Amino acid sequence: AQSVSQHNHHVILSEAASLELGCNYSYGGTVNLFWYVQYPGQHLQLLLKYFSGDPLVKGIKGFEAEFIKSKFSFNLRKPSVQWSDTAEYFCASIRGANNLFFGTGTRLTVIP
Amino acid sequence: EAQVTQNPRYLITVTGKKLTVTCSQNMNHEYMSWYRQDPGLGLRQIYYSMNVEVTDKGDVPEGYKVSRKEKRNFPLILESPSPNQTSLYFCASSFGGRGHEQFFGPGTRLTVL
Repeated sequence: AQSVSQHNHHVILSEAASLELGCNYSYGGTVNLFWYVQYPGQHLQLLLKYFSGDPLVKGIKGFEAEFIKSKFSFNLRKPSVQWSDTAEYFCASIRGANNLFFGTGTRLTVIP
Repeated sequence: EAQVTQNPRYLITVTGKKLTVTCSQNMNHEYMSWYRQDPGLGLRQIYYSMNVEVTDKGDVPEGYKVSRKEKRNFPLILESPSPNQTSLYFCASSFGGRGHEQFFGPGTRLTVL
C-alpha cells in the first residue's frame, strides 16, 4: 500500500459500545498495514499489523482488524470499548524501506 | 529497559535560533526516523536513516537536517527555526528491513515564537 486515509476524525462512544474505525489504503504493491494508538500525552504504540495470511488480525488490548482486499479497507474493531480506550488511533502503511505513512488519525472519546 | 529517548521534551524558542533535538535508542536498531505530528495532519516523516552515515529525506524535510554518526543517535537539527515548525516531534527506531515494528520516543513539543 502506498498511502492510507481515515475518514472518521472524532468518534464518541459510551462504554460497552462496539467500535469500528475506518481505514482505506491505496494499492501500491506489497501490503503492509498497521494500527497505532496514542494515549493522551503518550507516544505511539503498535496495536496490530497485517502483512499477509489470515485477513483477520488480532492485536493487543482486545482490538482486531480485518483486511478486505476488495474494499481496500483495514478497519479497526473492538466489541466493547472502555473508558481507558480514549485515545487517538492511526492507521499506517509502509512506503519504501520501512517508512511509515500515517493517516490523519481518529480521536476516540469513550464516555463512562 | 529497551527504549527510545528524546531531549528536550519541551522547548520554546525564537525564530532563527538554531536548536538540536536529540534522539537515542538502546536496542541496536539500524533504522531511525523523525516524524512531526500536527493536528488534522497525522504524523509526517521528516528524515530517516537506514544505518550509520546513511540518511534520506522523508515527506517534509524542508528546514531540517539530521546526522547519523553513531548507530544509537539520530539528532534533528533546525538551523533557523520558524513558527511553522511549531509541532510535536517523534523519533522512532526499528531493526532494518521492511515491516519491522517501529518503537517511538516520548515526543518533543517545540514552540517557535
